[in-house]
Amino acid sequence: DAGVTQSPTHLIKTRGQQVTLRCSPKSGHDTVSWYQQALGQGPQFIFQYYEEEERQRGNFPDRFSGHQFPNYSSELNVNALLLGDSALYLCASSRSDREQYGYTFGSGTRLTVV
Amino acid sequence: LAKTTQPISMDSYEGQEVNITCSHNNIATNDYITWYQQFPSQGPRFIIQGYKTKVTNEVASLFIPADRKSSTLSLPRVSLSDTAVYYCLVDPDLGWMDSSYKLIFGSGTRLLVRP
Repeated sequence: DAGVTQSPTHLIKTRGQQVTLRCSPKSGHDTVSWYQQALGQGPQFIFQYYEEEERQRGNFPDRFSGHQFPNYSSELNVNALLLGDSALYLCASSRSDREQYGYTFGSGTRLTVV
Repeated sequence: LAKTTQPISMDSYEGQEVNITCSHNNIATNDYITWYQQFPSQGPRFIIQGYKTKVTNEVASLFIPADRKSSTLSLPRVSLSDTAVYYCLVDPDLGWMDSSYKLIFGSGTRLLVRP
């Protein structure tokens, strides 16, 4: 049973560019959340998608946007990249019915903005 | 969501028992306490969850006193591979409701296990 899959694993972008990160949830999960983790800090919630809609959003600017597809996979888009966007971006999936506990995290995408 | 406070770092030696305490003074009645483990360049991994008293699984034990304002994660006989960051979170059990909840992570406790 595959867990959460994220791609790419590493990415280097130039300031001002745009980036798209991808996530495939664990089988049986229908909710996808994205987190940003700066070096030495805990993950910070970006937003959550359920039924192809953004359900909750953390304290992140509109440069951060996302999408969820009918197969529950998700994308995170970041426009006008800043040096401060360099971080590990984590995708976590879960089941909306809570029949099975909580979040399963992927290994993340390491984004470096130069 | 309740804020949690835990030590920034801890050191231990192989074979010792490690206890990491977390305080969550404003925990709500329907909050569960959950611990995650994170290795470098990996996502957090669920370790254990509890509501009250004691919970034990194959990895760890979780002790929660009656007032639930704190909890202690206990790792028996740690090995070098237990070196990681450990996060304590409170997680509302929404039960029959949609799980429109988000995890709030603090900075965690960096555990270093020495030979």
